[in-house]
Amino acid sequence: ETGVTQSPTHLIKTRGQQVTLRCSSQSGHNTVSWYQQALGQGPQFIFQYYREEENGRGNFPPRFSGLQFPNYSSELNVNALELDDSALYLCASSLVGSGGVTDTQYFGPGTRLTVL
Amino acid sequence: LAKTTQPISMDSYEGQEVNITCSHNNIATNDYITWYQQFPSQGPRFIIQGYKTKVTNEVASLFIPADRKSSTLSLPRVSLSDTAVYYCLVGDDYGQNFVFGPGTRLSVLP
Repeated sequence: ETGVTQSPTHLIKTRGQQVTLRCSSQSGHNTVSWYQQALGQGPQFIFQYYREEENGRGNFPPRFSGLQFPNYSSELNVNALELDDSALYLCASSLVGSGGVTDTQYFGPGTRLTVL
Repeated sequence: LAKTTQPISMDSYEGQEVNITCSHNNIATNDYITWYQQFPSQGPRFIIQGYKTKVTNEVASLFIPADRKSSTLSLPRVSLSDTAVYYCLVGDDYGQNFVFGPGTRLSVLP
């Protein structure tokens, strides 16, 4: 167990709706990254949040947005859901040190999103 | 931006050593390499991480040649419970980007 928790476990939405996924980071970590994993594929980096700001972003459109809170927990918001958004959404927490270097990422169990 | 490739699948028998190689030809100076294990419907589980040469922990070894264009995860004496998908991750030191490989499905046979 990594100490990273995600909610909900499963979620079903319809096309065009909006969804919010939540992640609590491991104790002592200050950074959260989000990934999308389609069935049978490797995870794809969405973005990373550090000091409550987006620190890096992968190739995802602006309808994917996030927040990080003072307790380092995070939310992933997806607007205007599309069928291709159906996937396992993973968050990973890590520690960014004083030099700005990201340490090992530890993953939560994921949220399975189904878009109908 | 590093692009990573891995073999799609591998078979092994219990008690054998398994080596899985990941190619990352465009790896950048600040990138490090991490390997994860994933079971169905679970999040990836950390195995080992390195930047260059060789790293060993209680469950695996990681070999990275001098040019860092590939890395090899070595699992000694695999058991049936090691059947899973193994991913390499090339990560930017400063969190700007992270690229997973496509994953290698390891099947351990009795």
